[in-house]
Amino acid sequence: DIQMTQSPSSLSASVGDRVTITCRASQSISNYLNWYQQKPGKAPKLLIYSASTLQSGVPSRFSGSGSGTEFTLIISSLQPEDFATYYCQQSHSTPITFGQGTRLEIK
Amino acid sequence: EVQLVESGGGLVQPGGSLRLSCAASGFTFSDHYMHWVRQAPGKGLVWVSRIDTVGSSTTYADSVKGRFTISRDNAKNTLYLQMTSLRAEDTAVYYCRRGRDYWGQGTLVTVSS
Repeated sequence: DIQMTQSPSSLSASVGDRVTITCRASQSISNYLNWYQQKPGKAPKLLIYSASTLQSGVPSRFSGSGSGTEFTLIISSLQPEDFATYYCQQSHSTPITFGQGTRLEIK
Repeated sequence: EVQLVESGGGLVQPGGSLRLSCAASGFTFSDHYMHWVRQAPGKGLVWVSRIDTVGSSTTYADSVKGRFTISRDNAKNTLYLQMTSLRAEDTAVYYCRRGRDYWGQGTLVTVSS
């Protein structure tokens, strides 16, 4: 199974900050990497697919990059509605696996 | 508007069975792979199962293989998850997901005596 490891596990930041979340795969997954945002009590929401493609309707302050085993989600200027938990997920091979999540909290 | 509505969750005793449903609307259901993903209380997301567009190919996480069965009825635009031999560790919110993008609101399954 492909293991996905996110860092950090939690992060405190302020509105307007630039935030970077990293996701590492235990083997190469090319660009088969999605990023999801989840708010408490809600279903996850797709932000980025194929490592760097912004899902329709997602603000442009979100961006993704990477390929192979190293991936990055960047939020260029944090907004109040961005405080949530973020998950990466590989779709290169089954079993599909998620990272453990990064909880983004208000400083 | 794409909508996925799960139902069928509830409280079940260990060893029991439950069938979850996911009613789809707002898109051509038969064009899309479908997934079940679960989330135990306070924990992360865990993929459970996937089914292809016609229901001929299914894949499962090792933790549920042999106990859970995913299926679909394209005429009814509905996805199913038949769960048997349930364990306490199966307690979670179960989400259905269209491909990689849209998720339902989830249905809670609690396995407890």
